Amino acid sequence: NAGVTQTPKFRVLKTGQSMTLLCAQDMNHEYMYWYRQDPGMGLRLIHYSVGEGTTAKGEVPDGYNVSRLKKQNFLLGLESAAPSQTSVYFCASSPRTVSYGYTFGSGTRLTVV
Amino acid sequence: DQQVKQNSPSLSVQEGRISILNCDYTNSMFDYFLWYKKYPAEGPTFLISISSIKDKNEDGRFTVFLNKSAKHLSLHIVPSQPGDSAVYFCAASYTGRRALTFGSGTRLQVQP
Repeated sequence: NAGVTQTPKFRVLKTGQSMTLLCAQDMNHEYMYWYRQDPGMGLRLIHYSVGEGTTAKGEVPDGYNVSRLKKQNFLLGLESAAPSQTSVYFCASSPRTVSYGYTFGSGTRLTVV
Repeated sequence: DQQVKQNSPSLSVQEGRISILNCDYTNSMFDYFLWYKKYPAEGPTFLISISSIKDKNEDGRFTVFLNKSAKHLSLHIVPSQPGDSAVYFCAASYTGRRALTFGSGTRLQVQP
């Protein structure tokens, strides 16, 4: 019973490099989300998905792309990493009613140098 | 524009005393509020929630109070324990919205 699993847990990138963060959930949740956490800024929504094959922009989508080809997976891509994307990234999932709350993964700490 | 605000970045209390964490919101459409707790190197975990049709919800040592007219909610922890030391996030949403909006968090330290 893993819940929400994020890989990798840590990564250091050079400016301009690309990478993909993977999120997998085993709870059959409809909705999935990517947030970033920065000091003093809390958790800010990057992109989200309300079902397989659908994605939508959140508060801070610039510089990121996402895909949800399978219901259980939600990928976050950085095409050309910038130092401003240094952050801790959290994936979350929820049933169709968000008032039930999210289940979060343990996070990915990304440093862009 | 931050729609959910936690104006106290940190709070320190003695073990056994009450901890009060505050949260203000600006969007009058919000009708559901949640508190999450986060330990270092872990993801946030759900703690307690409240619907706008209520003004209080209790779960053991944790109570959330909602003052709709003031657009303010608070989380009370009584009695506080050292294991409660964590960052607490307030979050809000409204019917039909498909995501939560989070505050910036308050770091609670409970001194033994």
